Amino acid sequence: DVKVTQSSRYLVKRTGEKVFLECVQDMDHENMFWYRQDPGLGLRLIYFSYDVKMKEKGDIPEGYSVSREKKERFSLILESASTNQTSMYLCASSSQMDTQYFGPGTRLTVL
Amino acid sequence: DQQVKQNSPSLSVQEGRISILNCDYTNSMFDYFLWYKKYPAEGPTFLISISSIKDKNEDGRFTVFLNKSAKHLSLHIVPSQPGDSAVYFCAASADGGSQGNLIFGKGTKLSVKP
Repeated sequence: DVKVTQSSRYLVKRTGEKVFLECVQDMDHENMFWYRQDPGLGLRLIYFSYDVKMKEKGDIPEGYSVSREKKERFSLILESASTNQTSMYLCASSSQMDTQYFGPGTRLTVL
Repeated sequence: DQQVKQNSPSLSVQEGRISILNCDYTNSMFDYFLWYKKYPAEGPTFLISISSIKDKNEDGRFTVFLNKSAKHLSLHIVPSQPGDSAVYFCAASADGGSQGNLIFGKGTKLSVKP
């Protein structure tokens, strides 16, 4: 079974803090993704990566950056958290010609 | 500009009846479509998919229908069960899923009442 894990299920941070969200997959997938889910807006792609050290902007990359130093790990970084970044963050991974498998999500609250 | 649209934010169905969730798309290059199911506080889980070379795919109680000329797909759940209550996301890909990049709809919240 594919397993995608995220470092925290719930996180509370203050405005201006630097926030790291970690995602690890155990299936040697090439592709990894970060989404945020908000009510009425569905899943919106923030960043994705097709390989180690590679990253591509998704639909809403502003205010975020990512890091992929190892194939199994994809980190999402909020350089200076703001209240409008309060959301559910979902990580996913996939191999070529395959569906995306999602982690359990991190519910981030920025106060 | 939404390329994948789920126009019904919510749907309520009686247990045992059929649930029909709809999805429309605008990009004629989409050739692979998926449905995901999401419970609160959990990540989405893959449910069923269909390639554009087919018009129907069935897996147990779940069937997906694709109408390419209308750029429309639907998910049928028969019979519906209370455990099916969740948010359902339609997703599409323009490269046969080869790079895994999916475009998601906004989701439809299904409530199945006992």
